[in-house]
Amino acid sequence: GAVVSQHPSWVICKSGTSVKIECRSLDFQATTMFWYRQFPKQSLMLMATSNEGSKATYEQGVEKDKFLINHASLTLSTLTVTSAHPEDSSFYICSASRQGPGLAGGPLSSYEQYFGPGTRLTVT
Amino acid sequence: GQQVMQIPQYQHVQEGEDFTTYCNSSTTLSNIQWYKQRPGGHPVFLIQLVKSGEVKKQKRLTFQFGEAKKNSSLHITATQTTDVGTYFCAGYSNYQLIWGAGTKLIIKP
Repeated sequence: GAVVSQHPSWVICKSGTSVKIECRSLDFQATTMFWYRQFPKQSLMLMATSNEGSKATYEQGVEKDKFLINHASLTLSTLTVTSAHPEDSSFYICSASRQGPGLAGGPLSSYEQYFGPGTRLTVT
Repeated sequence: GQQVMQIPQYQHVQEGEDFTTYCNSSTTLSNIQWYKQRPGGHPVFLIQLVKSGEVKKQKRLTFQFGEAKKNSSLHITATQTTDVGTYFCAGYSNYQLIWGAGTKLIIKP
């Protein structure tokens, strides 16, 4: 269980065009989905967190008008890179987590994230 | 801001040698998670530690969470070629998951 798919797996687009990436949780309902960007040989960089039915929370330095996130249902989130430029070329990974009771009786809870396979975006 | 420092960045080992990666947080963590990313793949969840001083084992992997819940380590005994990849820690604090930079495990030919 806990499979996350991502589509497309790779995409090449021309500068100035927009690209939409889909992230789906296939066998569970994802309360929260995350979008990451990863440059070669570097760590994951969290771009934004989205909860179903509400606006995404963007990390500092991430342009919300450029990276549009929609979390329309408990199984689907989309990231649209608008007016893409070559510097947007990167590996984009989504992950999904599901809600449940807190661990160790604490008020805070976090759950393992299930990652999609990633989307390689190349902007020419 | 909150940070999780992970060291070393790379570790080259001979097959059969041990491997350890360390994470240190600037703040107290509610819990810490560990992920493995194979070359060309996506991160895969390994484990979550919650309790102060917790130690968990998965076969040859040993995970520890410090008493102060600010540091953690992953130790692999007798590495194998299947262990190759980058190991990330991610600490949860103030409703945020903060990622370490990862440690790349390289097996010497």
